[in-house]
Amino acid sequence: ETGVTQTPRHLVMGMTNKKSLKCEQHLGHNAMYWYKQSAKKPLELMFVYSLEERVENNSVPSRFSPECPNSSHLFLHLHTLQPEDSALYLCASSQDYLAGPQYFGPGTRLTVT
Amino acid sequence: GQQLNQSPQSMFIQEGEDVSMNCTSSSIFNTWLWYKQDPGEGPVLLIALYKAGELTSNGRLTAQFGITRKDSFLNISASIPSDVGIYFCAGQSPNSGNTPLVFGKGTRLSVIA
Repeated sequence: ETGVTQTPRHLVMGMTNKKSLKCEQHLGHNAMYWYKQSAKKPLELMFVYSLEERVENNSVPSRFSPECPNSSHLFLHLHTLQPEDSALYLCASSQDYLAGPQYFGPGTRLTVT
Repeated sequence: GQQLNQSPQSMFIQEGEDVSMNCTSSSIFNTWLWYKQDPGEGPVLLIALYKAGELTSNGRLTAQFGITRKDSFLNISASIPSDVGIYFCAGQSPNSGNTPLVFGKGTRLSVIA
């Protein structure tokens, strides 16, 4: 299943770096999501886009900046991160916002040094 | 916010044994989803349930949407080594506001050959 792809799969960055995570969905879905998954914690919803408009921002620090240029692509721009931001970042999509199951990408394992 | 109580947190079983896990909530849900996550990968959707009482199978996996709409169960029959992973339940509630899905904390399954 390659419905949702994410690049890079692994990323190591220093606290002063700027990097971006990319997600692409090939399912024709209208909603896309960013999640953070840390060890021993439930999935944390970060951002939601529906029809390319941001509909939810769950009190995420401004050092994380999402971008959705079209319904198939989603980016997460990272800058001035902290070591506690190290986690698996997952992208997901669903047919519509608040409706239907979400399909996840393989994730980007981020390590902040 | 809403929470899903998923149990057990972890299981160690012998190959060939059947497995049962469940998810409960104090709120009613309209949709129950079950995902499996392998190490270093994103969650993969296993089964989606949309009606109270619904029983759905996917190979050796069977899931049920509880009659009360407050719980769901996942059973795996005749476990094999590749069943190892973390199983997550997720639900969508009419009372969840703008939260698309609520996730459980996962059940970590280990299979001993």
